[in-house]
Amino acid sequence: EAGVVQSPRYKIIEKKQPVAFWCNPISGHNTLYWYLQNLGQGPELLIRYENEEAVDDSQLPKDRFSAERLKGVDSTLKIQPAELGDSAVYLCASSFGQGNTEAFFGQGTRLTVV
Amino acid sequence: GQQLNQSPQSMFIQEGEDVSMNCTSSSIFNTWLWYKQDPGEGPVLLIALYKAGELTSNGRLTAQFGITRKDSFLNISASIPSDVGIYFCAGRALGQNFVFGPGTRLSVLP
Repeated sequence: EAGVVQSPRYKIIEKKQPVAFWCNPISGHNTLYWYLQNLGQGPELLIRYENEEAVDDSQLPKDRFSAERLKGVDSTLKIQPAELGDSAVYLCASSFGQGNTEAFFGQGTRLTVV
Repeated sequence: GQQLNQSPQSMFIQEGEDVSMNCTSSSIFNTWLWYKQDPGEGPVLLIALYKAGELTSNGRLTAQFGITRKDSFLNISASIPSDVGIYFCAGRALGQNFVFGPGTRLSVLP
């Protein structure tokens, strides 16, 4: 069974440019999460979807971050415009069933903003 | 908001030694998870705990859900080089999202 797939693995952009990350969750997992991981820290939740509905986006900086999961499967996370402080690893995870159950993570996208 | 503390922050051990680490919270949790993260990879789930006092093993790894429900422990027996990595705990209070600790970085010396 394929795990959570994220792309790209690495991205380098100049500040003020837009960037997008893509995630394909484990087949059958209806809950999808986007996490931010800064160097030397644990993951921090940005947004949680149950099917196509964003059930918790309270930690998503909505002035520059947006996310969508239009058909309840794949998801994209976008930053526009990117700032230097956005340099981090963006992790996608998925879990089976409703609510917070144990999540399985993708490999992450390492973003560097220069 | 909820915060988790992990101890120790980092540890260096000899191959073959046993390892103990813990995670503490100021809040009561009803689920604990332990993950391992290798460099450049996403966290991999090791063990999930759902009940106070629960003791669960996965190979050489054993984790316990503390009886106060504010802590959890992870032990690794007879460490090997591939145990190197960062170990994260994650806890969840009822109706809340999982919160991750800052991690314990394990180094194994041959």
